[in-house]
Amino acid sequence: TQLLEQSPQFLSIQEGENLTVYCNSSSVFSSLQWYRQEPGEGPVLLVTVVTGGEVKKLKRLTFQFGDARKDSSLHITAAQPGDTGLYLCAGPDYGGATNKLIFGTGTLLAVQP
Amino acid sequence: DAMVIQNPRYQVTQFGKPVTLSCSQTLNHNVMYWYQQKSSQAPKLLFHYYDKDFNNEADTPDNFQSRRPNTSFCFLDIRSPGLGDAAMYLCATSADRGNTEAFFGQGTRLTVV
Repeated sequence: TQLLEQSPQFLSIQEGENLTVYCNSSSVFSSLQWYRQEPGEGPVLLVTVVTGGEVKKLKRLTFQFGDARKDSSLHITAAQPGDTGLYLCAGPDYGGATNKLIFGTGTLLAVQP
Repeated sequence: DAMVIQNPRYQVTQFGKPVTLSCSQTLNHNVMYWYQQKSSQAPKLLFHYYDKDFNNEADTPDNFQSRRPNTSFCFLDIRSPGLGDAAMYLCATSADRGNTEAFFGQGTRLTVV
C-alpha cells in the first residue's frame, strides 16, 4: 500500500499570512488530489494534478506536483478565516483489483481573524 | 443537483446494538467507498465497491459489513458497535475504475452510548 505523509500536521496562522502544506510519498503516483474538509462536513475536491511539474492555481491557492510525481504542495496566499479546515492530499492506490483512493495524514489549518 | 446523500446525519446507538448507515448517489458512479474518520484525522478506508465487486480492506474489523443492492445505494452495517466505533462515517463515489476523483456525502456522525 502506498503512503502519503503530510506536513505540518497542524497550522495556526493570522489572517493575511501565507502558508504551504506538503504531501510526500516514497511511491510514484499517477495523479494526486487535494481536498478541503470543513468541520462536520465531507471532504470537497479542490484540484487534481496529473503531470510531473504541473502547477495549478485556484484563486489564492497554488498546487504543485513534483517532477517525479512523488510529492505535492499546496500554497495559500493571504489566508482568510474561510480557509480554515482539514486539508487532505489523496491519490490512487493500484495495489488491488480496483483502484482505490487513499488519503494523506492531513493538515489541520486554523486562520485567526 | 447530482449528489451523494448520507442518512442520517447523526446517529446515536447503544453499545452492542446493530446499526445501519445508508448512502445514495445520483451520479451513476461505478465505485462507492466507505471511510471511517475520527476527530480531525484522515479518513480511513473500510471497503469499496467497483460495481457489485466488493473489496474489503485487510484491517477492517469483521464487525463492519456492507451491502450494495444496486448502483445508487450502499449500506454500512455495524453488527455490534463498541465505544471505539464512534466516528464520522463518510460515503464517497468515483466515476470508474481509472478515475479516483471522489465525491463525498456530508457524513454520518455516529455516537455509541
